[in-house]
Amino acid sequence: GQNIDQPTEMTATEGAIVQINCTYQTSGFNGLFWYQQHAGEAPTFLSYNVLDGLEEKGRFSSFLSRSKGYSYLLLKELQMKDSASYLCAVKDNAGNMLTFGGGTRLMVKP
Amino acid sequence: GAGVSQTPSNKVTEKGKYVELRCDPISGHTALYWYRQSLGQGPEFLIYFQGTGAADDSGLPNDRFFAVRPEGSVSTLKIQRTERGDSAVYLCASSPQGYSYEQYFGPGTRLTVT
Repeated sequence: GQNIDQPTEMTATEGAIVQINCTYQTSGFNGLFWYQQHAGEAPTFLSYNVLDGLEEKGRFSSFLSRSKGYSYLLLKELQMKDSASYLCAVKDNAGNMLTFGGGTRLMVKP
Repeated sequence: GAGVSQTPSNKVTEKGKYVELRCDPISGHTALYWYRQSLGQGPEFLIYFQGTGAADDSGLPNDRFFAVRPEGSVSTLKIQRTERGDSAVYLCASSPQGYSYEQYFGPGTRLTVT
């Protein structure tokens, strides 16, 4: 089975940097995903890590350490539109579905 | 191009009734997933189709839930004898292949059981 933990809520200031952590315990591992979800909307794909290290994509970066069962999503130059929930999800070896954490609700303040 | 679409966007039904929720995946995507999301929580896996067959239905909570994908495209999630605890947003996602890493989500159907 899978157990995925992430903080419930975070607050940050416009223009700042925020790091959202995710820890996981899994019976297998075949990739970690971050999704963004605005209230009342569908989750949208942000990043995918399957090897250790940092993946950078514009203002967003995602890091993975498989030995520690740890990932983070880094958001730089925060904008008001970044206020959303950020979902960490893991794909295990056995299946193709994603197991999601509870999501981190990020509030960006002026 | 068109994304994943789901109908209806909202469904209110009385306890004990039967409901059907529809998902139209992205054209050409062979893998289709159903998830359920309760307020303030992450999506929870229900069932996965590869083509017409259910490759993994381990997430279906009980035998009141059933899903089909008869022609390998549109899928219908069916819930019998609905209960208030079934109230949630039901999300559908598709991907080009089962092993593809990115899943594209639809806007969801908000089901309310009164």
